[in-house]
Amino acid sequence: DVKVTQSSRYLVKRTGEKVFLECVQDMDHENMFWYRQDPGLGLRLIYFSYDVKMKEKGDIPEGYSVSREKKERFSLILESASTNQTSMYLCASSVTGVATEAFFGQGTRLTVV
Amino acid sequence: AQKITQTQPGMFVQEKEAVTLDCTYDTSDQSYGLFWYKQPSSGEMIFLIYQGSYDEQNATEGRYSLNFQKARKSANLVISASQLGDSAMYFCAMREGWGTSYGKLTFGQGTILTVHP
Repeated sequence: DVKVTQSSRYLVKRTGEKVFLECVQDMDHENMFWYRQDPGLGLRLIYFSYDVKMKEKGDIPEGYSVSREKKERFSLILESASTNQTSMYLCASSVTGVATEAFFGQGTRLTVV
Repeated sequence: AQKITQTQPGMFVQEKEAVTLDCTYDTSDQSYGLFWYKQPSSGEMIFLIYQGSYDEQNATEGRYSLNFQKARKSANLVISASQLGDSAMYFCAMREGWGTSYGKLTFGQGTILTVHP
């Protein structure tokens, strides 16, 4: 079974903190994704990585950065957390291509206070 | 511009009846993939069905079928014989097929489906 693991299920951080959300996949997938999910807005793509050290901005990259030093790990970084970044964050991975589904982690519910 | 649009925030259906969840998409790529995912209240994302842009037949997976109308850029999900366990959020998604966006996966806003007994 494909496994995508996010480091935390729930996280509470203070405004201004630097926050790291970690995602690890065990299927040697080239592609990895970070989304945030908010009611009424669906899943919005923050960043997409198509290979190690390669990344592409999604629809809402402002306030976020990412790091992919190893194929299995994709980190989302909030340089200075703000309350409007309180959300559910979902990581996903897949093989390259348009015909393959993505596999998701369990999500991280981040609250910034 | 929104690439995936789901215009139904919520839908209701009676148990054992069929329901259609709407999805329209926007792309200039010739090659792309369309997906539907289910997200129950537990939060996990469950892949349901896939349709390729070059597929001539509509995709089917058990009680799920995808009504693909390429000229209209629509990819509606049809659930036949609804069950109480079908109550969930449903997302339509598209993977792009060109350049550095190759494989990029974009989702719609989602539709909450409620199945009544």
